[in-house]
Amino acid sequence: AQKITQTQPGMFVQEKEAVTLDCTYDTSDPSYGLFWYKQPSSGEMIFLIYQGSYDQQNATEGRYSLNFQKARKSANLVISASQLGDSAMYFCAIPISGSARQLTFGSGTQLTVLP
Amino acid sequence: EADIYQTPRYLVIGTGKKITLECSQTMGHDKMYWYQQDPGMELHLIHYSYGVNSTEKGDLSSESTVSRIRTEHFPLTLESARPSHTSQYLCASSAYDRPYEQYFGPGTRLTVT
Repeated sequence: AQKITQTQPGMFVQEKEAVTLDCTYDTSDPSYGLFWYKQPSSGEMIFLIYQGSYDQQNATEGRYSLNFQKARKSANLVISASQLGDSAMYFCAIPISGSARQLTFGSGTQLTVLP
Repeated sequence: EADIYQTPRYLVIGTGKKITLECSQTMGHDKMYWYQQDPGMELHLIHYSYGVNSTEKGDLSSESTVSRIRTEHFPLTLESARPSHTSQYLCASSAYDRPYEQYFGPGTRLTVT
């Protein structure tokens, strides 16, 4: 079964600095993808970034980038130039094995950006 | 911009009541999902649908039921609410050609007293 581990329950970062949120995973699927979602205090889940296991280059979306290290089974999210609005819960997710469309989520990391 | 809506946003209700949480999306997505999330915890899939008249249970057992009579609508029903049902319920949808890019609604925070 798939397993996602986020070992940082809470993180603090100074505004304008970069921060890395850790995510490790365990899967037996030969092909898979890794997802990151952001959940502000209002509760909605916002899709941030995705990378497939066979993608050659690390994915980037604006200030978000994925530090994907397949051998270590890690897919860390890097947020550059943190903003106060980045304060939120961040979830890493991986597809459920055998499923074409469902995800299993990690326990999340609460990021707080300090002014 | 994703357009997926959930109502109500907040609901406080007494034990034994029947409730329906509404979820609608205007993106024409085939796939829709319901997740349950306790405060500060990970999401757990409780129901999903691949299209009209298609519903399946997710990896977390739930006493709730769902229906998919129309593509855009995926309501979740609890026949008899209990305090153990207190949680946040998140609805999501995804397109056929991008199944993992799930768009989430704002969620419904349910409290059963």
